[in-house]
Amino acid sequence: DGGITQSPKYLFRKEGQNVTLSCEQNLNHDAMYWYRQDPGQGLRLIYYSQIVNDFQKGDIAEGYSVSREKKESFPLTVTSAQKNPTAFYLCASSSLAGGYEQFFGPGTRLTVL
Amino acid sequence: QKEVEQDPGPLSVPEGAIVSLNCTYSNSAFQYFMWYRQYSRKGPELLMYTYSSGNKEDGRFTAQVDKSSKYISLFIRDSQPSDSATYLCAMKRRGAGSYQLTFGKGTKLSVIP
Repeated sequence: DGGITQSPKYLFRKEGQNVTLSCEQNLNHDAMYWYRQDPGQGLRLIYYSQIVNDFQKGDIAEGYSVSREKKESFPLTVTSAQKNPTAFYLCASSSLAGGYEQFFGPGTRLTVL
Repeated sequence: QKEVEQDPGPLSVPEGAIVSLNCTYSNSAFQYFMWYRQYSRKGPELLMYTYSSGNKEDGRFTAQVDKSSKYISLFIRDSQPSDSATYLCAMKRRGAGSYQLTFGKGTKLSVIP
């Protein structure tokens, strides 16, 4: 089955800890994205990558970091510098030739204790 | 003024009703219009997309774009309890990068049996 997987589904973190969220896709898409979703806020773009070993900041990149060492993988690290990290995190991917559709993973719910 | 406005609801309708979901936008450069459906604690999935103005029908769903009024709609006929979800509109300018999707905040719909 082609698609996007995110793990874990639920993640709990103590204040001051860094955590890494996993995102893998087998759709052979060039572009991958990380969004944060908060109630009443819609989707906000954290980082995106259009090619291996290159990524760009989105609208709310502060306190987050990413890497893109393989086409299939785009992990997101939520650092201790992120002031309010409790949120639902969504990974997405798209074909650069497609033009519009982004395919989303099932999401990771991060809670800071 | 936000680029995309969407009433968050919640919207509650009886089973079998016709549902109308709407977004307004301010940027006249938007050319691609999408509707995503997001079930609770899941990632969004693309439901419909339209390019420029006009109507597009897919089963019980109709997407409508009125560029002169900067207004898009999603109609759901014969609504079912399984349609209960949050519906997000999304838009992209022609020629914009794949990462440049602008999302509405989503409307939460409940279809009551």
